[in-house]
Amino acid sequence: NAGVTQTPKFQVLKTGQSMTLQCAQDMNHNSMYWYRQDPGMGLRLIYYSASEGTTDKGEVPNGYNVSRLNKREFSLRLESAAPSQTSVYFCASRAGRVFYNEQFFGPGTRLTVL
Amino acid sequence: GQQLNQSPQSMFIQEGEDVSMNCTSSSIFNTWLWYKQDPGEGPVLLIALYKAGELTSNGRLTAQFGITRKDSFLNISASIPSDVGIYFCAGQGSVSGATNKLIFGTGTLLAVQP
Repeated sequence: NAGVTQTPKFQVLKTGQSMTLQCAQDMNHNSMYWYRQDPGMGLRLIYYSASEGTTDKGEVPNGYNVSRLNKREFSLRLESAAPSQTSVYFCASRAGRVFYNEQFFGPGTRLTVL
Repeated sequence: GQQLNQSPQSMFIQEGEDVSMNCTSSSIFNTWLWYKQDPGEGPVLLIALYKAGELTSNGRLTAQFGITRKDSFLNISASIPSDVGIYFCAGQGSVSGATNKLIFGTGTLLAVQP
């Protein structure tokens, strides 16, 4: 059981380049989330998917798009990267069937935009 | 976006000392969670609180769900070097709905001197 996996672990982009961050979970969870973590800011929700086939905006969705490819996979796309998107990105999943299910986090993707 | 007020921002203590940190919000939450993040890793859940006034322990960790549902406290007794990391509080299920989403605090950085 790998839990939540993310690829890549590190990435450096130039301004204007695009890329997709991949996330997969093997716990048969319904809900999946993308967060960004910046120094002194905690974790802020970018997008989430409450169940397969649905996606919703979080606090900071501008500049990002997501795809819930199937129940296991939830990808985050940066169409035209900007230096302000330099951050650590975490994917999380949650069973979602009852209110007290916890969120499990992946190891993160460290993204630098030059 | 909404974030929880977490204090202190950082703590530098000697091994064996007790630690206290807290989290406050202007909104009511139905669930309070405490996570720990080790360097280079994703957050890991330490304690979950589901009921106002609840006091829950997990080894040397004790957390409380404030009676007003707007705050929570985490205590660590007899700290050890492996307690080093960033501790985050998170609230879930505010009166505005959105039971799927977590709101995170800004984090408390804990350093333990052996």
